[in-house]
Amino acid sequence: DAKTTQPTSMDCAEGRAANLPCNHSTISGNEYVYWYRQIHSQGPQYIIHGLKNNETNEMASLIITEDRKSSTLILPHATLRDTAVYYCIVRVAGNQAGTALIFGKGTTLSVSS
Amino acid sequence: DVKVTQSSRYLVKRTGEKVFLECVQDMDHENMFWYRQDPGLGLRLIYFSYDVKMKEKGDIPEGYSVSREKKERFSLILESASTNQTSMYLCASSLGGHYSITYEQYFGPGTRLTVT
Repeated sequence: DAKTTQPTSMDCAEGRAANLPCNHSTISGNEYVYWYRQIHSQGPQYIIHGLKNNETNEMASLIITEDRKSSTLILPHATLRDTAVYYCIVRVAGNQAGTALIFGKGTTLSVSS
Repeated sequence: DVKVTQSSRYLVKRTGEKVFLECVQDMDHENMFWYRQDPGLGLRLIYFSYDVKMKEKGDIPEGYSVSREKKERFSLILESASTNQTSMYLCASSLGGHYSITYEQYFGPGTRLTVT
């Protein structure tokens, strides 16, 4: 699986957009990009995923570069409740053994008022 | 609303005890997973199951076993608890099938286990 690189921490003002980068320069053509987050003392929560095209849902937008070597998760209007550790994960589709996720250290996003 | 529940939020056990951690999901998911989370090490996969009575080892299976007798329930067993198994244990589930990689995993709230 491709390795991901994320900044250790980021700050964001409440109400502003939070842009969280992720580098995955060795990603393969059949690997998806997933984003999860973990709020303190809770289990991780799925946010969004994509393969090639940009994706948007009610929580966030995912922008994947054309060469797929990096991506950015965008929280359009960050709130204090978005303070969490954000994980960028790439994972290949395939057999049953490939269904687990591998979490790195993630980015700690701190949203302040 | 999707739900993954774990039997305890906090658990304290003594070295050598047999420990059972239970996980139940109500989404009819085929796949279930057990992770442990430690500071500085992130989440690491212990075991997963893609069907009833089926199991696969993850990255750190030593000292653990699992049981999946029913689709909705996945148990993690510490045969003889040791202090290095003090950790946060997280259960997750997801849909299965050929395209299962595209399906998100839903996590439970976690069990913080302390072994003294």
